[in-house]
Formats: sequence, C-alpha cells, structure tokens
Amino acid sequence: GQNIDQPTEMTATEGAIVQINCTYQTSGFNGLFWYQQHAGEAPTFLSYNVLDGLEEKGRFSSFLSRSKGYSYLLLKELQMKDSASYLCAVRDRGFKTIFGAGTRLFVKA
Amino acid sequence: EAGVAQSPRYKIIEKRQSVAFWCNPISGHATLYWYQQILGQGPKLLIQFQNNGVVDDSQLPKDRFSAERLKGVDSTLKIQPAKLEDSAVYLCASSLDRKGREKLFFGSGTQLSVL
Repeated sequence: GQNIDQPTEMTATEGAIVQINCTYQTSGFNGLFWYQQHAGEAPTFLSYNVLDGLEEKGRFSSFLSRSKGYSYLLLKELQMKDSASYLCAVRDRGFKTIFGAGTRLFVKA
Repeated sequence: EAGVAQSPRYKIIEKRQSVAFWCNPISGHATLYWYQQILGQGPKLLIQFQNNGVVDDSQLPKDRFSAERLKGVDSTLKIQPAKLEDSAVYLCASSLDRKGREKLFFGSGTQLSVL
C-alpha cells in the first residue's frame, strides 16, 4: 500500500527554526512536494525534490533522501503567518500525486 | 494569469440528494485532479484526467460519484445520492502535465455539508 507519515502537530516560537519530517512508502517515486495550507484555504506549492539533497528557497528549505524514503521541510526565522498545515505529497510510479495527512504548525509569540 | 476556478463555494444538501461541482482549470493545463479533503486530513485523490482521458479513478466511489472532463478543459464532479460521510471540501487542481516537476495549482474548493 501507499503510506505517507507526518507528525500531526508541532508548536514553535516566533523567530525560531522548525523541521517537519515526512516518511513515505509508495509504488515508485517521481518526486516529492511540500504544500502549505492555511485554515479554510487551498494548498499552495512550497517546494519540489526529485534528487537527494537540500533545496533552499528563502526561509524554506526541503531535503530528500530517496534511499530512506525520507524528507523534511525546514522553516527558518518563523513568523506568525507561518501558522498553517504543511502537506507532504509524493508523485508515484503512475504519476499520481498522493498527499499525507499534513502537519499543523502553531507559531507562538 | 487566472487561477483554477471552482463553483459553488459552499453547498448544503440532505442525504440522498444529488450535487454537482464545476471546475475550470488554468488555461493550457493538461492534467486535472479532483481531491476530497475531510476536515483534519490531507487531500485524497478521487480522479485524475490527462486532457479528456481518465488516468486514475481507483479511489472514486463509482456507485455514487462520477466525473467528466469534456473537450479536455472544464470538469464536473457529481455525487448521486449523497451520504453523510461525503461532507468534505472538494478541491480541483490542475497542472501543466502530470510528470516531472509540474506542481499542482488548487482552486478554492467547494465545501459540501450533507445533513
């Protein structure tokens, strides 16, 4: 079966760094995405990894290890507006994009 | 560039009634997706179109759900008859293609409440 695991909730302090982990077991692999979803809104794209290593984009970075079926999203200099759900999604062998349940991040002052 | 358009934004129906959702993807996007997102969960793929052909509908409850994408552009998703457990947000998304690094662009969704 296909499985994507993320922590359900995390809390961090404004200005700090937080790492959100994602492990996956899917039928093949054609890339991993991270999306941000604020409450009551649609998901929006954050990052894409298909090769092992770190992709950095401003305050957000995403890491992938294909051999371990593992990724993380790193958020630096946290701001209150970063309070949202973060969804890990994998594109499988058949090019279906499958989402995890998401990690709700609470940023406190 | 216009985004993915969906309507209606909200819908309240009673169980056993029928409902239809409409989606207009970003112009030129070949791949269209319908996801169901139950409160507190991640989006679950219902059906994926490539142009006007179905690529995957393995998780679509075909006894009550149907979807079509005529002329490879707009799409409609129908539920007939609705059940209480169908209460969810129905998200339509599109991408240039289903392969490679093509990201999904989501519409605002239709929030369905089945009473």
